Amino acid sequence: AQSVAQPEDQVNVAEGNPLTVKCTYSVSGNPYLFWYVQYPNRGLQFLLKYITGDNLVKGSYGFEAEFNKSQTSFHLKKPSALVSDSALYFCAVRVLTGANNLFFGTGTRLTVIP
Amino acid sequence: DSGVTQTPKHLITATGQRVTLRCSPRSGDLSVYWYQQSLDQGLQFLIQYYNGEERAKGNILERFSAQQFPDLHSELNLSSLELGDSALYFCASSVVEGAPTDTQYFGPGTRLTVL
Repeated sequence: AQSVAQPEDQVNVAEGNPLTVKCTYSVSGNPYLFWYVQYPNRGLQFLLKYITGDNLVKGSYGFEAEFNKSQTSFHLKKPSALVSDSALYFCAVRVLTGANNLFFGTGTRLTVIP
Repeated sequence: DSGVTQTPKHLITATGQRVTLRCSPRSGDLSVYWYQQSLDQGLQFLIQYYNGEERAKGNILERFSAQQFPDLHSELNLSSLELGDSALYFCASSVVEGAPTDTQYFGPGTRLTVL
C-alpha cells in the first residue's frame, strides 16, 4: 500500500523568502513522486517528478524538490517566493499496481505575503 | 494549458438526476483517468481507460460509469445523483498505459453542484 502525508494544511511565507512545502511518503518498492499545483478555479498543473537519479529535481516556475530516501520525504522548495505562487500544492505518489494512478496527499495551501 | 479539455465547466442539477461529463485527452495520449476532488475526500482516483478499454477502477460508485470512445475522448456518467456527489471532477491523460514514470496532465475540471 502507499500513502502520502502533507503535514501542513497552510504555509505562509513572505515574498522573496525561501519556501518549503513538506511531503512524506510510504510505498512498497521504488517511489515515483510528483508535485502538482492548483490555482483557484484551475486544474492541477504538473510541477515536477522524481523517478530515479539525482535527489534534487528541478521543475516548472523555479520550483525544485529534494528526494530523501532515509527520511522518506519529497519536500517542494523555491529559493524566492512570489505572490503569484500562492496556490494549493499537492504531493502524489504513483500506485504501482492496477491503474498506476496517482495517490494524492491532502494538499497544502501556500500563501505568499507581499 | 495542459491540452486536456473538459466540458462543461460547471454543472448544476438536482438530486436523482443523471449527468455526463466529457473529456478530450491531449493529442497522442491514449490513457484517460478520472478523479474526484471533494472537501471531505480530497482527490480520489475513480477509473482509468486505455485506448477504449477499461483498465482499472478506484473508488468509483456503482452509480457512476465511464467509457472511452474510438476518438479517445471519454465520458463520465453520474446517475441517481446525491448531494454528496457535488465535487470537482478532473480528467487526466497520459501517453502510455499507466507507466510509473509517465506524467498525467490534468484538465481544468468540471464543477458539479447537486441541489
